[in-house]
Amino acid sequence: DADVTQTPRNRITKTGKRIMLECSQTKGHDRMYWYRQDPGLGLRLIYYSFDVKDINKGEISDGYSVSRQAQAKFSLSLESAIPNQTALYFCATSDWPDRDQETQYFGPGTRLLVL
Amino acid sequence: AQTVTQSQPEMSVQEAETVTLSCTYDTSESDYYLFWYKQPPSRQMILVIRQEAYKQQNATENRFSVNFQKAAKSFSLKISDSQLGDAAMYFCAYRSAWGGATNKLIFGTGTLLAVQP
Repeated sequence: DADVTQTPRNRITKTGKRIMLECSQTKGHDRMYWYRQDPGLGLRLIYYSFDVKDINKGEISDGYSVSRQAQAKFSLSLESAIPNQTALYFCATSDWPDRDQETQYFGPGTRLLVL
Repeated sequence: AQTVTQSQPEMSVQEAETVTLSCTYDTSESDYYLFWYKQPPSRQMILVIRQEAYKQQNATENRFSVNFQKAAKSFSLKISDSQLGDAAMYFCAYRSAWGGATNKLIFGTGTLLAVQP
């Protein structure tokens, strides 16, 4: 079974709709991240969470919100989707404090199309 | 702010040959990590190799090795004996070792590698 799972894998929605992307992990990691990938731009950080009570904005958080329901679950919401939020979204996890093991592991991604 | 630059949008290599993907970065920090991730058509982001800046020895993982030049802020990936399964987008990424607790990865824009049979 995959260590980091994302649902749905693909989603088509309409402008103005609210949508939630979910991420679950079985790695036991405290730290979780949401990234967005656009062609030619690489991946950019949307939000990150170091534990259930610690949630922080990344570089492109406008238009997004997150919820850390448990250590293993981290959801990303688009309150009112717009076409320029069409992208590939990745969840990632990492462990701490052993710095040598502090590598981020990614889920399979969710491809979102906003019409 | 740190930046990562991959100047080769696309590369091509013949099967069984060797190819080198380039990556440069800009930082004022002395302690950090560098990564190469592979993204095949399945979209999964797969860690290929990791280098700690405080280690002078270049990291290797089977057919994958890096040439880490700290003074030049260069971190290239060498793939030896290229295989068809190596065809993918490759991303170089930087992370501060302590990073003000941000711990985020800063990615380059990627290099698309094609492997010719």
